[in-house]
Amino acid sequence: QKEVEQDPGPLSVPEGAIVSLNCTYSNSAFQYFMWYRQYSRKGPELLMYTYSSGNKEDGRFTAQVDKSSKYISLFIRDSQPSDSATYLCAISTQGGSEKLVFGKGTKLTVNP
Amino acid sequence: GAVVSQHPSWVICKSGTSVKIECRSLDFQATTMFWYRQFPKQSLMLMATSNEGSKATYEQGVEKDKFLINHASLTLSTLTVTSAHPEDSSFYICSAARSGYEQYFGPGTRLTVT
Repeated sequence: QKEVEQDPGPLSVPEGAIVSLNCTYSNSAFQYFMWYRQYSRKGPELLMYTYSSGNKEDGRFTAQVDKSSKYISLFIRDSQPSDSATYLCAISTQGGSEKLVFGKGTKLTVNP
Repeated sequence: GAVVSQHPSWVICKSGTSVKIECRSLDFQATTMFWYRQFPKQSLMLMATSNEGSKATYEQGVEKDKFLINHASLTLSTLTVTSAHPEDSSFYICSAARSGYEQYFGPGTRLTVT
């Protein structure tokens, strides 16, 4: 079993839709959870960084962590064509500045 | 957020030559820098972790003599691909972090070995 599983998609939605992206992980030692956005041929850009179970909101983005189920989610409200990118979940046992384990990434396309 | 730069953004080299890629944290001092490679439509694969002034820690399966990493200062790390071959062609991305904070990524360097 891989340490982190993420459905690669692709996922295609109309503009304005609510997008749900998910990852599951296998090791309860993972305590830090991040979501990165990567445009084609660019480096990943940090979107959300969470530690505890629960929700964290930043603008149109909400990150949700359920440690009991080992399940993390990223919700995008009112999706825009500019949100079209690959979204990577990343997890760590020791913090965001330590070794990260990445999911495969989900390719999202938001159609105008 | 913090800014990390990479140079060059794209490089083409001939098989058997060496290529150096620079990674700089522009507005913060990075205690740790990481080097990743990414193949098309795949996720990031960690190659090595480097701390300023110490030897890099390589991931299993990564040849340390082929991928030389030097973390000379708190704002600069370099990756040298020695005796490059076509199979080394990839997208190389660095990231930088201060202890206890998030990891920020550079824009990546596309290496093509002919």
